Amino acid sequence: QVTLKESGPVLVKPTETLTLTCTVSGFSLSNARMGVSWIRQPPGKALEWLAHIFSNDEKSYSTSLKSRLTISKDTSKSQVVLTMTNMDPVDTATYYCARIAITGTPYFDYWGQGTLVTVSS
Amino acid sequence: AIRMTQSPSSFSASTGDRVTITCRASQGISSYLAWYQQKPGKAPKLLIYAASTLQSGVPSRFSGSGSGTDFTLTISCLQSEDFATYYCQQYYSYPITFGQGTRLEIK
Repeated sequence: QVTLKESGPVLVKPTETLTLTCTVSGFSLSNARMGVSWIRQPPGKALEWLAHIFSNDEKSYSTSLKSRLTISKDTSKSQVVLTMTNMDPVDTATYYCARIAITGTPYFDYWGQGTLVTVSS
Repeated sequence: AIRMTQSPSSFSASTGDRVTITCRASQGISSYLAWYQQKPGKAPKLLIYAASTLQSGVPSRFSGSGSGTDFTLTISCLQSEDFATYYCQQYYSYPITFGQGTRLEIK
């Protein structure tokens, strides 16, 4: 059974760095073509793709947020970590991690439940 | 970035209706398109990928079509559990982009 679960702070202050962890089970981050993305959704708004990482450590980032994002993985812990620097209230959103389809084609067949992050002083 | 535009943004329908949602890409994306359903407070659920391939476990009343720039998601006979927000997503090129969503409400 494939599951993903996000964890991290509920509240961060402006200018702080956000660190989110996605813990996966039911599949291995070391399997060929396996990948995980981070996607966010501000309250009442649309989905926004942020970044992804594949088993071969290939990474891609949102063009508009690239300077603020870092994605990494710890295969032994089955975790994918996203850091976002210089947080601002507009970054308030539910952050999801999602598995990239098993073929390595970047649509998302399994999603975590999401974690709401509020940016406020 | 490829812009994905859905229409309508919202609409009302009744159970049993046949409904169609449209997604247009700002440039050709071949068939690299997925559709998701999202209910309030829940994560999106994959319905269709490769524009027309039904994800395992998704009811056959859902279907997708299109290629290039114009795509449709059709629900052939609306059920109560289908009232939700629907998103299209292109994966032809990076950055991956989603449509703004179509909210389907009960009439």
